[in-house]
Amino acid sequence: AQKVTQAQTEISVVEKEDVTLDCVYETRDTTYYLFWYKQPPSGELVFLIRRNSFDEQNEISGRYSWNFQKSTSSFNFTITASQVVDSAVYFCALSEASTDSWGKLQFGAGTQVVVTP
Amino acid sequence: EAGVVQSPRYKIIEKKQPVAFWCNPISGHNTLYWYLQNLGQGPELLIRYENEEAVDDSQLPKDRFSAERLKGVDSTLKIQPAELGDSAVYLCASSGWSRDTQYFGPGTRLTVL
Repeated sequence: AQKVTQAQTEISVVEKEDVTLDCVYETRDTTYYLFWYKQPPSGELVFLIRRNSFDEQNEISGRYSWNFQKSTSSFNFTITASQVVDSAVYFCALSEASTDSWGKLQFGAGTQVVVTP
Repeated sequence: EAGVVQSPRYKIIEKKQPVAFWCNPISGHNTLYWYLQNLGQGPELLIRYENEEAVDDSQLPKDRFSAERLKGVDSTLKIQPAELGDSAVYLCASSGWSRDTQYFGPGTRLTVL
């Protein structure tokens, strides 16, 4: 069963609009990490944010913010005032803390974000 | 600080030919990962190394794929012989002792004709 679901295949916005990316995960572990990575056209996966399962505090980092809700198993990510350079594929990922899985990232299918001027 | 280095960036080969990819992790990172990314999908783990030991290779197709990390630093992933379905991006990542965050290289895009 897929453990990370990103239901949005593509989102298109005009520059300066906000973009919210949805991520729903599935795990039986009580300890886990959630991540967002960005993959621009160059292909390199760029680490953006990490959250552990014990910290549901939502934060803002520059133009990025995230909403982690364990009750709904969701880890949504928002880009505020989008820019053309934000155009990329964004991946949500889960790492479970069980001995065999610790360090193994399980990715969603990704959401393509297109920001037009 | 240098990031994860991979080479080559692009490789085009004919089916049944062998191919090898090289990865040098971030200095001091003892854990190294190889991922396969098919078009339009998220990366999938092929193998994970702790120093020179392969601790998770359950997803590595061992009939044609092999990997090594002899001195616990850089690593090589090999396919022999390559098949058409192997066309994909091969990503290398590394992490420190805590294994909490993985940092990725630019990947090698393989095209098998």
